[in-house]
Parts: sequence; structure tokens; C-alpha cells
Amino acid sequence: NAGVTQTPKFRILKIGQSMTLQCTQDMNHNYMYWYRQDPGMGLKLIYYSVGAGITDKGEVPNGYNVSRSTTEDFPLRLELAAPSQTSVYFCASSYGGVRGRAKNIQYFGAGTRLSVL
Amino acid sequence: EDKVVQSPLSLVVHEGDTVTLNCSYEVTNFRSLLWYKQEKKAPTFLFMLTSSGIEKKSGRLSSILDKKELFSILNITATQTGDSAIYLCAVESEGGAQKLVFGQGTRLTINP
Repeated sequence: NAGVTQTPKFRILKIGQSMTLQCTQDMNHNYMYWYRQDPGMGLKLIYYSVGAGITDKGEVPNGYNVSRSTTEDFPLRLELAAPSQTSVYFCASSYGGVRGRAKNIQYFGAGTRLSVL
Repeated sequence: EDKVVQSPLSLVVHEGDTVTLNCSYEVTNFRSLLWYKQEKKAPTFLFMLTSSGIEKKSGRLSSILDKKELFSILNITATQTGDSAIYLCAVESEGGAQKLVFGQGTRLTINP
């Protein structure tokens, strides 16, 4: 049971560089999410998607972009990395159906720790 | 703006103690409240509480939801060192996509 898989686990970027954080899920979930977690803080929603081809901004979208070309994959792109983007990034997915609230739990990947220096 | 506040932010107790973690919220059109446990990596799901299920229990962990006073508590009895983690509370409100608003988390440390 792979669940939600994120790559890479760690990355160091220089200011101004770009990178893509990969996220894939094998649970056939409709909904996918990207969060960031800063030290001592909870998770803040960056972007989310309710299905292939549909994405929308969350609470902190500036400096990021996403795409959802397949049900399984939801990559997060950082353009022009800045020190303020140093954080741990989590991808999550949920069923997103109408078969009862209990099925709509978000399952998380192991995270990507990113440092921008 | 939806808001979730957890307290305390940090708690250190001895193995065997009972702890109570608090979560208060202000959201428009509440749908559900979730508790997650975060050890070194990914948050893992503990409980979901909704209007139709305001009390949940699993082993030494239990949680209640007070929809009138807008808070939830997570109780852990007979704590063990393996309970050391960050406990996150999150609330889903109306608006589609089952988006969650998270609290800051409570860092719980259990000393042997």
C-alpha cells in the first residue's frame, strides 16, 4: 500500500532557482492538496484540486503553481525560490465522493523538506 | 476568516499520566473536526467528529466535540513514550473540496 508518495524527501535550493515537488497517489482519490508547515505552526493550504484539470488556490498560493493532468499526480512548482519558501511541504489526498463523510479523510505523504539559501 | 486554536502549544508529562489537549474553532458552517497525530513525518488520522458523532474512542485515546461551545478535546490516558508527537486539530467548513483549516498543534512529550 503506497498511498501518497512525495519526492524528493529533501532539497536545498539557491535563491531564484526553480523546482517541482512531485506527488502521486494510488488510492484513486479525486481530491488532492498541497500544504506547507513552518516550524511551530500548523499546516497551511497552498493549492488544491477536485479532479484532473481542476485546481484552485488555497490560503498561501503566492510563489507556487500546480497542475493536475491525471487523477494520480499533483505536482507543485516553485518559481524563483525565496528564503520565505523554506518549509516542509505535504501533499494529501481524499476520496472526495458522496459515500459518507467518513470516507473523506485526508491522507498525507511523508513530506518534502525544502531549504532556500 | 476560519480559525482553529489549540492549547497548550507544548506539554511535558510522565509516562502513565493522563493528558487533555484542547481545540477551539471559529468557522462558517461547520462540517467536521479531525484530529491527527504527527510523529517525525506525515500526519496520521486519529478521529473525525461530526454533528452525528460527537464522541469517539479508540483504546486509550478519546475525543469529544462540543458544537455549542465550539471546541473539542483529545484525551490520552495511561500515556506511553510512543504517544510523544505533535497532535493537530483541523476543521472542515462548508465551501466544497473538503478543505481543512489546521490549528498550530500541541507538542506532547512523554518522559519515562
